[in-house]
Amino acid sequence: AQTVTQSQPEMSVQEAETVTLSCTYDTSENNYYLFWYKQPPSRQMILVIRQEAYKQQNATENRFSVNFQKAAKSFSLKISDSQLGDTAMYFCAFMKPSTGANSKLTFGKGITLSVRP
Amino acid sequence: DAGVTQSPTHLIKTRGQQVTLRCSPKSGHDTVSWYQQALGQGPQFIFQYYEEEERQRGNFPDRFSGHQFPNYSSELNVNALLLGDSALYLCASSSRTGAQHFGDGTRLSIL
Repeated sequence: AQTVTQSQPEMSVQEAETVTLSCTYDTSENNYYLFWYKQPPSRQMILVIRQEAYKQQNATENRFSVNFQKAAKSFSLKISDSQLGDTAMYFCAFMKPSTGANSKLTFGKGITLSVRP
Repeated sequence: DAGVTQSPTHLIKTRGQQVTLRCSPKSGHDTVSWYQQALGQGPQFIFQYYEEEERQRGNFPDRFSGHQFPNYSSELNVNALLLGDSALYLCASSSRTGAQHFGDGTRLSIL
């Protein structure tokens, strides 16, 4: 079974600065997907960024980028130029592809990020 | 383009009752997954429906059941409610190979 670990329960960052959120995972699979989701107090889970394990290049989406270290099973999220609207819980998630239907997501416990004005 | 919609947004029940939660997937998506999120925790996978069949199931008892309709919408049913079933229930839809997109969730409170 896959596990996802987010060991930092809370982080705080000053507006406009850069912050990195950590995530490690455990799997025996070689092909899989990793995700970061954001959940603001409004509670909707929003996809931030996605990484395919077979791609060596780290994914980037505007101010969000990842550092994917496959051998170390590490998948950290870097948020540049932090904005007040980035305040939310952030979840790291793992998915093993399956034939046929889309597969389930395995989530970490999440980290609460607060952006200070 | 409407995203994933869930109803109701909030529900209060008492122990032993039964509840039905509903989900309409994002346009173009044919797979629906349900997750339970306890306060301060990450979501836990309940089950997934594709082509009107349950395809995968997480570690939840048979009190949790579901259904998918021909228009891809889905229901989650929970029987004999327990206090521990109080949680946010999230529905996510996807295509066969795409990322999962979530609805706003249904907050279920058991008294």
